[in-house]
Amino acid sequence: NAGVTQTPKFRILKIGQSMTLQCAQDMNHNYMYWYRQDPGMGLKLIYYSVGAGITDKGEVPNGYNVSRSTTEDFPLRLELAAPSQTSVYFCASSYSLNTNTEAFFGQGTRLTVV
Amino acid sequence: ELKVEQNPLFLSMQEGKNYTIYCNYSTTSDRLYWYRQDPGKSLESLFVLLSNGAVKQEGRLMASLDTKARLSTLHITAAVHDLSATYFCAVERAQKLVFGQGTRLTINP
Repeated sequence: NAGVTQTPKFRILKIGQSMTLQCAQDMNHNYMYWYRQDPGMGLKLIYYSVGAGITDKGEVPNGYNVSRSTTEDFPLRLELAAPSQTSVYFCASSYSLNTNTEAFFGQGTRLTVV
Repeated sequence: ELKVEQNPLFLSMQEGKNYTIYCNYSTTSDRLYWYRQDPGKSLESLFVLLSNGAVKQEGRLMASLDTKARLSTLHITAAVHDLSATYFCAVERAQKLVFGQGTRLTINP
């Protein structure tokens, strides 16, 4: 049972480069999320999705894009990477937060922009 | 805008002692979650609190929720070193989680 799988685990980007962070879940969850965690801080929501084909902005969406073509996958795209995007990125999924279930998190992608 | 605040942000305690972490939030919600994060690791779910007065216990940890006061507590009983970690509370709003800043707990022998 893989749960939420993120790739890559680590990445170093140069300023202005682009990349896609991959996230896949095998729990048939409707809801998927991308958070970023800066050192010593809590998690801030970047984008979320309530189902295939539906995405919406979170608290800190600037500089990022997402897509949700399938229930399983929710990639996060960084265009024109900036040092301010150095962070740890977590993908999460949930069945529904209105029920007795929690959100499950992937292992994270540690991104450094230099 | 929903804001979630934890205190203390840092806590150093001795093994065997009891302590409480507080989580306050600014707007109405009936659902609150506690997560644990070890250094360099992901978040592990500890408790899901779904209604006013909810209390859940697992080992030396007990969490409670008072929705009227917009307050949740995470109580640690007779702390042991293995409980050293960062603890986050998160409040649900419109199917999204809003996180507190985290409480970094260090338990010393």
